[in-house]
Amino acid sequence: AQTVTQSQPEMSVQEAETVTLSCTYDTSESDYYLFWYKQPPSRQMILVIRQEAYKQQNATENRFSVNFQKAAKSFSLKISDSQLGDAAMYFCAYRTYSGGGADGLTFGKGTHLIIQP
Amino acid sequence: EPEVTQTPSHQVTQMGQEVILRCVPISNHLYFYWYRQILGQKVEFLVSFYNNEISEKSEIFDDQFSVERPDGSNFTLKIRSTKLEDSAMYFCASSENNLYGYTFGSGTRLTVV
Repeated sequence: AQTVTQSQPEMSVQEAETVTLSCTYDTSESDYYLFWYKQPPSRQMILVIRQEAYKQQNATENRFSVNFQKAAKSFSLKISDSQLGDAAMYFCAYRTYSGGGADGLTFGKGTHLIIQP
Repeated sequence: EPEVTQTPSHQVTQMGQEVILRCVPISNHLYFYWYRQILGQKVEFLVSFYNNEISEKSEIFDDQFSVERPDGSNFTLKIRSTKLEDSAMYFCASSENNLYGYTFGSGTRLTVV
């Protein structure tokens, strides 16, 4: 079974600074997907960014980018120019690439990101 | 932007009662999911549903749970006899295919008293 580990329960960053959230995972599969989800106080789960394991290029979405190290099984999220609205729980998630059935996501325990004004 | 809609947003029920949580997935999506998040803990997969049947379920999804797509738009999660430990946030999600991430609903907060 796959596991996802987020070793930082809480991170704090000054507004406009850059912060990196860590995520490692364990799998024996070669094809899979990795995700970062944001959960603000409203508790809705919002997809931030997605990475396909077969792609070497790191995914980027505006101020959000990832550092995907497949050999190290590491998938960190970098948030540039942090804004107050970025304050939330951030969850790293893994999904197998089955090509068939509707596979569930395996989530890490989350990192609580605090933005200091 | 299309949304996954969940109702109610908060439900309080007595222990031992049956509860049905409702979800309206995005209309052209084919895969449907339920997840649970106990307060302060990580999000856990419960079940996935495709082509009118359960595709995959976790060990949490025991005989007390069932899912149904009663018509072309709704997707429901039923808990037959609720326990205190069923208190959690329940998220519905849907996806167009199984290659990418999902769109999650806003969740239903279930409180069992």
